[in-house]
Amino acid sequence: DQQVKQNSPSLSVQEGRISILNCDYTNSMFDYFLWYKKYPAEGPTFLISISSIKDKNEDGRFTVFLNKSAKHLSLHIVPSQPGDSAVYFCAASATRVHAGKSTFGDGTTLTVKP
Amino acid sequence: DTAVSQTPKYLVTQMGNDKSIKCEQNLGHDTMYWYKQDSKKFLKIMFSYNNKELIINETVPNRFSPKSPDKAHLNLHINSLELGDSAVYFCASSLKGGETQYFGPGTRLLVL
Repeated sequence: DQQVKQNSPSLSVQEGRISILNCDYTNSMFDYFLWYKKYPAEGPTFLISISSIKDKNEDGRFTVFLNKSAKHLSLHIVPSQPGDSAVYFCAASATRVHAGKSTFGDGTTLTVKP
Repeated sequence: DTAVSQTPKYLVTQMGNDKSIKCEQNLGHDTMYWYKQDSKKFLKIMFSYNNKELIINETVPNRFSPKSPDKAHLNLHINSLELGDSAVYFCASSLKGGETQYFGPGTRLLVL
């Protein structure tokens, strides 16, 4: 049972345009959500997070939106740059639980074309 | 300075062998993890330790045995390697369980 799903395995956008990466989850216990970025042959690196008490968090060109009722979050990158080309993983955890863990989606490969 | 390091980076071995992967973090974090990324690129948690104590043990064959000598280290020992164990194994750490994780560069294991 995949509790975190990224239904688009790949996304291609033009440089300067907006990239929107989507993520859906099924476990209502999740209350903390993260996006990670991964380049080939490297480990994932943390990008941005959002707690369930918010519906939006912004950090520079990156904004994460959370719709708890729909169990959906999205990552917006504006403007997209070629260096943003990578695999993006969303992750969710239930931080209220002591032994909380992050459950990862299976990633979306973003390609930003110059 | 590397925050989370793993050795080796590449590991090619024969079926049936026993191998270990080491992980160290210098971030002062309390929680460490092992993930497996299979051919479908899905990152799946295997184990998590908090202050040397096992707190998460997903449905992983008991051929896989994690060991945490101290909270800065979490090693993964694999007995009787099988072809299906071929994957990239990532170590990670976080200040507390469930929070932002910092990943190592991965260990690419190929079982022949």
